[in-house]
Amino acid sequence: QKEVEQNSGPLSVPEGAIASLNCTYSDRVSQSFFWYRQYSGKSPELIMSIYSNGDKEDGRFTAQLNKASQYVSLLIRDSQPSDSATYLCAVTQSGNNRLAFGKGNQVVVIP
Amino acid sequence: EPEVTQTPSHQVTQMGQEVILRCVPISNHLYFYWYRQILGQKVEFLVSFYNNEISEKSEIFDDQFSVERPDGSNFTLKIRSTKLEDSAMYFCASSDTRVTGELFFGEGSRLTVL
Repeated sequence: QKEVEQNSGPLSVPEGAIASLNCTYSDRVSQSFFWYRQYSGKSPELIMSIYSNGDKEDGRFTAQLNKASQYVSLLIRDSQPSDSATYLCAVTQSGNNRLAFGKGNQVVVIP
Repeated sequence: EPEVTQTPSHQVTQMGQEVILRCVPISNHLYFYWYRQILGQKVEFLVSFYNNEISEKSEIFDDQFSVERPDGSNFTLKIRSTKLEDSAMYFCASSDTRVTGELFFGEGSRLTVL
């Protein structure tokens, strides 16, 4: 079964620090990679997409993709209390356009 | 800002009853989806819909489930005979392109089956 894994537990970071989240995926031919933010009781909201190896920066967010190692990461710089949420890694699988989600990493930014 | 709207926000039903969840996708989007999230678990793909037909469905989307676009705006998910394990948050999503996972999600419909 093709899986998207986010294994680390809740991450607590002080305000202004960097939060680092990791995700691995099992389908070697996965093509597109996404980070969604989900506030408690709310729906997922797309914050980053990345399609090729390397880094992609958007404001305080940086996504990093390494297809050879099958991981994708998200850095949140200058973390703010409003960044406190669960971050979902999602991958489109080969041959279809369904999104496979990881279970998510909860981030708590401490003022 | 355009958004996906879903109704009802919460529905409680008895096991075995039929439920219809409604969604209004973003108006110029062509691809529509249903996902669900059981409390504390992953968001799971159910079905995708394009050009008035199902383009893909998951193993979860069995004969008890159906989708329909009855008019130019609504997109519905019907569960014919609900089971306890159908209790979840159901998210509708839409996209303006197929080859992407850049989805816009509605706020969800929480289904509780008693």
